[in-house]
Amino acid sequence: DIQMTQSPSSLSASVGDRVTITCRASQSISSYLNWYQQKPGKAPKLLIYAASSLQSGVPSRFSGSGSGTDFTLTISSLQPEDFATYYCQQSYSTLRGFTFGPGTKVDIK
Amino acid sequence: EVQLVESGGGLVQPGRSLRLSCAASGFTFDDYAMHWVRQAPGKGLEWVSGISWNSGSIGYADSVKGRFTISRDNAKNSLYLQMNSLRAEDTALYYCAKDMEAVAGSPDAAFDYWGQGTLVTVSS
Repeated sequence: DIQMTQSPSSLSASVGDRVTITCRASQSISSYLNWYQQKPGKAPKLLIYAASSLQSGVPSRFSGSGSGTDFTLTISSLQPEDFATYYCQQSYSTLRGFTFGPGTKVDIK
Repeated sequence: EVQLVESGGGLVQPGRSLRLSCAASGFTFDDYAMHWVRQAPGKGLEWVSGISWNSGSIGYADSVKGRFTISRDNAKNSLYLQMNSLRAEDTALYYCAKDMEAVAGSPDAAFDYWGQGTLVTVSS
């Protein structure tokens, strides 16, 4: 089974900061990696698919990169509405399902 | 506007059954795979099950295999999850999610729309 890890598990940042979240797969998943944002009490929202493709309607301050086992979600200038939990998800090997990472909570410093 | 509305959740005793439904609108339902994803209170996301546009490909998480059954009715634009032999660890908010692809299990899959979820609580 492919395991997904994220780091850090949480971070505190200020409005305007550049934020980077890392996701690592236990084996190569090519570019089959998606990123979601979830705010408290709300459903997850797709931000990035296929490692670097920006979902329609998502602000351009969000970007994704990586391939193989190491991936990054970057928020270039953190906005108040970006405080949330971020999850990565692999779609390379779905024999055991679409594995999500454990999440990274971004809160206000 | 895409809408996914889940229903059927509630309080149920261990060992009993429950059937969740998801009513879809705003897109051509039978063009896309659909999934159920759950989130235990205060925990992360866990994929539960997925079904292709034509029900030809179905998958389950190991944690629910043999107990849960996913199905869809394209004529009714609806997705279902039959949950049997429920356990305390099945307690969670269950989300219905639309895939960007038609085939469940496609590596190009991503879940681009989600419902607001229906809460299942398994307790005696």
